[in-house]
Amino acid sequence: KQEVTQIPAALSVPEGENLVLNCSFTDSAIYNLQWFRQDPGKGLTSLLLIQSSQREQTSGRLNASLDKSSGRSTLYIAASQPGDSATYLCAVKGGTSGTYKYIFGTGTRLKVLA
Amino acid sequence: GAGVSQTPSNKVTEKGKYVELRCDPISGHTALYWYRQSLGQGPEFLIYFQGTGAADDSGLPNDRFFAVRPEGSVSTLKIQRTERGDSAVYLCASSLGLGDSNHGYTFGSGTRLTVV
Repeated sequence: KQEVTQIPAALSVPEGENLVLNCSFTDSAIYNLQWFRQDPGKGLTSLLLIQSSQREQTSGRLNASLDKSSGRSTLYIAASQPGDSATYLCAVKGGTSGTYKYIFGTGTRLKVLA
Repeated sequence: GAGVSQTPSNKVTEKGKYVELRCDPISGHTALYWYRQSLGQGPEFLIYFQGTGAADDSGLPNDRFFAVRPEGSVSTLKIQRTERGDSAVYLCASSLGLGDSNHGYTFGSGTRLTVV
């Protein structure tokens, strides 16, 4: 059974810092991995999607890497801003069972202080 | 439509009542998914559809929960005899195709259900 873990659960940093959010998963036979952002009381916004054959994806100040064999992904946020404050969720699709549903981690709550 | 639309955005109901939650996916998206999210947790899978049929309903917690997608577009999640433990945000997502492993999801804003 696929399990997704995110570390840290919460993070508070001063504005301008570069930071790394971690995601690990137990079944490496995934199709892809997606990082989402969730603002309080809102739905999920897709940030980056990494296919199983890819090593990383970049969008603006965000960079996500994938090491499928070790079951790990990291989301790197450069030059953090107060507007980055949100919960960041990692989700994986697939696994040995071949499922097409995403399994989510519990998220990292990020607060960037001005 | 331009995005995934969920209605209502908020629903307060009394314990024991029946509720329906609606999801209107992105036009052309054949796959549709329902998730439930409790406070401080990640979304938990409930069911997904490819077209009109439920491809996987293994996440539905019990037989009080049921979902339909009769014409392969709009879906309705139905909860009978609601309980206080059903209170959560119900999220809907769609993607281009279930059979294509490459596509990610687009989520709606969710329906916040409160059972009092």
